[in-house]
Amino acid sequence: ELKVEQNPLFLSMQEGKNYTIYCNYSTTSDRLYWYRQDPGKSLESLFVLLSNGAVKQEGRLMASLDTKARLSTLHITAAVHDLSATYFCAVDNSSTGTASKLTFGTGTRLQVTL
Amino acid sequence: KAGVTQTPRYLIKTRGQQVTLSCSPISGHRSVSWYQQTPGQGLQFLFEYFSETQRNKGNFPGRFSGRQFSNSRSEMNVSTLELGDSALYLCASSFGSSGSPLHFGNGTRLTVT
Repeated sequence: ELKVEQNPLFLSMQEGKNYTIYCNYSTTSDRLYWYRQDPGKSLESLFVLLSNGAVKQEGRLMASLDTKARLSTLHITAAVHDLSATYFCAVDNSSTGTASKLTFGTGTRLQVTL
Repeated sequence: KAGVTQTPRYLIKTRGQQVTLSCSPISGHRSVSWYQQTPGQGLQFLFEYFSETQRNKGNFPGRFSGRQFSNSRSEMNVSTLELGDSALYLCASSFGSSGSPLHFGNGTRLTVT
């Protein structure tokens, strides 16, 4: 059974600091997704990583995928308050590779303080 | 472009009753997936439909069922509700092709009393 673990579960960081969220998974997969969820809201797609070594960047967030290590990272650069949210990684567990069956991590609740 | 629409937003039911949740995907999306989100278990996959066929199924009991119509709209049904079914049920749609991200709706908050 595929297991997806994120750490830390909770992260409080000051504005302007850098930090990394880690996502480890237990089976081979080369398709990984990152989502953001604001309190009381739905999930918003951030990144789609489809191969070993994939790196995607958007603003202050950068995601990478190492399929050999079964590890994805979400790096936050110079955090700002607007980044406060819960971040989920999700691994494609479908046989078709079409994201038709995602296994989500536990989520990392990020709180950026002034 | 309209997003994924889920109705109703909130629902309160009694144990033993059944409930039907509805999801309208983004226009052109043929894949619809359902997820259950609870504080204890997190986000768990229920099932996925593509072109009216169930393509994947999670580890939920048979009380949870779904279907997809020819216009890609989907419904999820839960029969004989239990207290533990209280959750946020999220629907997501995509083109259903490799690398297509899921686009989630705002969810239906189900409370079972």
